Amino acid sequence: NAGVTQTPKFRILKIGQSMTLQCTQDMNHNYMYWYRQDPGMGLKLIYYSVGAGITDKGEVPNGYNVSRSTTEDFPLRLELAAPSQTSVYFCASLRQGGDRQFFGPGTRLTVL
Amino acid sequence: TQLLEQSPQFLSIQEGENLTVYCNSSSVFSSLQWYRQEPGEGPVLLVTVVTGGEVKKLKRLTFQFGDARKDSSLHITAAQPGDTGLYLCAGAPGNTPLVFGKGTRLSVIA
Repeated sequence: NAGVTQTPKFRILKIGQSMTLQCTQDMNHNYMYWYRQDPGMGLKLIYYSVGAGITDKGEVPNGYNVSRSTTEDFPLRLELAAPSQTSVYFCASLRQGGDRQFFGPGTRLTVL
Repeated sequence: TQLLEQSPQFLSIQEGENLTVYCNSSSVFSSLQWYRQEPGEGPVLLVTVVTGGEVKKLKRLTFQFGDARKDSSLHITAAQPGDTGLYLCAGAPGNTPLVFGKGTRLSVIA
């Protein structure tokens, strides 16, 4: 199993540009999450999904959108990038009934 | 919003020393987890504690969940340079997603 994979690993965007952060897991986990981690801060939940076709807002959803058309994929979309979205983004998955979230390696995004 | 406060924020110690880091909240959690994160990587789960007063050991790491399930501590005995990293606690308020603390950044100097 590859676990949770994220692409790209790094990206620099200009203000106003859009992009999609990709996240895929091959463990057939129902639950998937998107977090952002700013320097000196913990993880803040952006969006999560409890299964294909179901998504819900987390603590900091503004400026982001998600979709969950398959169990494996949970892409995160930034429509109009802003400097405040400069951060490291982590995707995670969780088996239903499990307690261990598996995290991807992260995407480091800079918006200039 | 349920908050988890971690202390200290930064800790730099010599190899062989002992240390304790704390995770506190005014809210009750059904379970609490500790993760370790190394630079450039995602967090990795170390332990989950569920029962108030529970103590779990993982080699030189000892985790304790407070009796009231509002706080937890992580004690490392004889710290090694390999223990260096960011230690995050995360609480499960119930059926809602995990809430993460800001973390304790530990540096163990050889």
